[in-house]
Amino acid sequence: DAKTTQPTSMDCAEGRAANLPCNHSTISGNEYVYWYRQIHSQGPQYIIHGLKNNETNEMASLIITEDRKSSTLILPHATLRDTAVYYCIVSGGATNKLIFGTGTLLAVQP
Amino acid sequence: EAGVAQSPRYKIIEKRQSVAFWCNPISGHATLYWYQQILGQGPKLLIQFQNNGVVDDSQLPKDRFSAERLKGVDSTLKIQPAKLEDSAVYLCASSRTGRSNQPQHFGDGTRLSIL
Repeated sequence: DAKTTQPTSMDCAEGRAANLPCNHSTISGNEYVYWYRQIHSQGPQYIIHGLKNNETNEMASLIITEDRKSSTLILPHATLRDTAVYYCIVSGGATNKLIFGTGTLLAVQP
Repeated sequence: EAGVAQSPRYKIIEKRQSVAFWCNPISGHATLYWYQQILGQGPKLLIQFQNNGVVDDSQLPKDRFSAERLKGVDSTLKIQPAKLEDSAVYLCASSRTGRSNQPQHFGDGTRLSIL
């Protein structure tokens, strides 16, 4: 079973920041938080990952709480092309296996 | 950098027939994964290779599914004989190493329909 909990769906206005929450209360100290997204008819696309510190790249920012029990993916200026299912995954320990849940369907509205 | 290549993009077969999928990972990536994604669900890992050795095949239905990565680069996944429940998208992914700090990168998959 997936070790994360995400809302089923979210809406965001085009041009605004999209903040996608994820709960991972049972995360272990050596497990990473990964975010992927999947646009219809494509494979999952890697977005960002982190262990303890907040991370930022050209696509998004990842904010991890100090107790590491939850995180937020931030898309700073959402566009229509960001409409996708976003998966938050905890991975690590002895294996880097990705266990996907059902994710959050983000709908960016014009 | 070229991404993960998969073929064919689509495949339609009748139940009890056999089918094979091909994957070419990102150059230099030692670890290769095959996932199955049933409509409406997230991908599920079938098998993981480290170079040409199997690391994890615990979720692979070995009575009908087989996979190989003979030279540690390309890989094939085969289903024989296919069942209706095998209708899904088969995704291949690769990562530089099998360590947990290395992201996996996915191809666009093969959509398999069983009639």
